[in-house]
Amino acid sequence: DAKTTQPPSMDCAEGRAANLPCNHSTISGNEYVYWYRQIHSQGPQYIIHGLKNNETNEMASLIITEDRKSSTLILPHATLRDTAVYYCIVFLSGGSNYKLTFGKGTLLTVNP
Amino acid sequence: DTAVSQTPKYLVTQMGNDKSIKCEQNLGHDTMYWYKQDSKKFLKIMFSYNNKELIINETVPNRFSPKSPDKAHLNLHINSLELGDSAVYFCASRQGAGGELFFGEGSRLTVL
Repeated sequence: DAKTTQPPSMDCAEGRAANLPCNHSTISGNEYVYWYRQIHSQGPQYIIHGLKNNETNEMASLIITEDRKSSTLILPHATLRDTAVYYCIVFLSGGSNYKLTFGKGTLLTVNP
Repeated sequence: DTAVSQTPKYLVTQMGNDKSIKCEQNLGHDTMYWYKQDSKKFLKIMFSYNNKELIINETVPNRFSPKSPDKAHLNLHINSLELGDSAVYFCASRQGAGGELFFGEGSRLTVL
């Protein structure tokens, strides 16, 4: 049962901002939005997460709509090394038996 | 200093054999996971251990037996290997209740 919907693929020009959308219309009030990425043949890498407010770190920004039904991950200046599959995950923080479930993600291709 | 390390990185074996994959984390985390990523690139959780105790078992065949000798190690033993076991197996760890997982680089298992 997929909790998030992402486009299967997107392209972005090198140096431009990459905006990756995610729909999570059934998110509950205490569920967080997490973003991971997986560069080819590597392990998934945590990027950022948020609950209600927009968040920014050294890798990306996360914009969450006011109704929390969708969010956008922004890579401000995409580089070729940002080519990867990006996963948007809804996760309920809490007990150690809570699991992070990955969907199909979005393959972002950054073009020179 | 690798945070989550897996060995071996590559494993090629015949059907019916028994093999093990080892995972170690030096982050001091309490919870460790095994994920399987098949040829279609779906990343699925298999097991989770918290302080050496099994807390998640996702209907994995009992040919797969995880073992956690201490909270820094989680090994995966697979009996009677089948063709469908061919995949990349990722180990991960996390601390506390949040959704930030640290993944290893993966172990690619090929069953011939």
